[in-house]
Amino acid sequence: ETGVTQSPTHLIKTRGQQVTLRCSSQSGHNTVSWYQQALGQGPQFIFQYYREEENGRGNFPPRFSGLQFPNYSSELNVNALELDDSALYLCASGVRGDRELFFGSGTQLSVL
Amino acid sequence: GENVEQHPSTLSVQEGDSAVIKCTYSDSASNYFPWYKQELGKRPQLIIDIRSNVGEKKDQRIAVTLNKTAKHFSLHITETQPEDSAVYFCAATNLNTGFQKLVFGTGTRLLVSP
Repeated sequence: ETGVTQSPTHLIKTRGQQVTLRCSSQSGHNTVSWYQQALGQGPQFIFQYYREEENGRGNFPPRFSGLQFPNYSSELNVNALELDDSALYLCASGVRGDRELFFGSGTQLSVL
Repeated sequence: GENVEQHPSTLSVQEGDSAVIKCTYSDSASNYFPWYKQELGKRPQLIIDIRSNVGEKKDQRIAVTLNKTAKHFSLHITETQPEDSAVYFCAATNLNTGFQKLVFGTGTRLLVSP
């Protein structure tokens, strides 16, 4: 069992609202990545943070933003929610330069 | 950018049979290829990985092969058991970019019947 924890586990929002998802990385890890997994699909890379700065981003609009804190906890913020944002959001932590990522159990977001 | 295709989308086998899942990738710069197992409602878990300087890697009942020239890699599970039933994802990335961006395939739902 990994030490990556995410909260909340489930969330229901309505279109146009804003949401904040949280992740606590495994001890000793200095990178945190966020992925979106739509139903029946593989996870898609949103962005990665290292030393509190975004250092890589996938094909997601600016309304997807994030923060990484000095204690390596992290937030994913999504503004102006759309129905297609409904998905499982996964946080993954690792060590820069290492190959393995450790995933959390995810937050299931439903946008109505 | 990188694109990973995965086949088949579903695979049903009898307990004890072998299962093979295949993936192709597009970016020749990719040099790391992990495989994840995801059970229903749970997190993806790394089960095996391979780097581009290796052609094959084995860990008990699972093995991965890589053909860099053809840009494809495969997961092999022997002596399948019901607990192997899950969705399996392949992924690819270039470890030299300075950040870990995994590009995943669309997944294979493996069902092992007793």
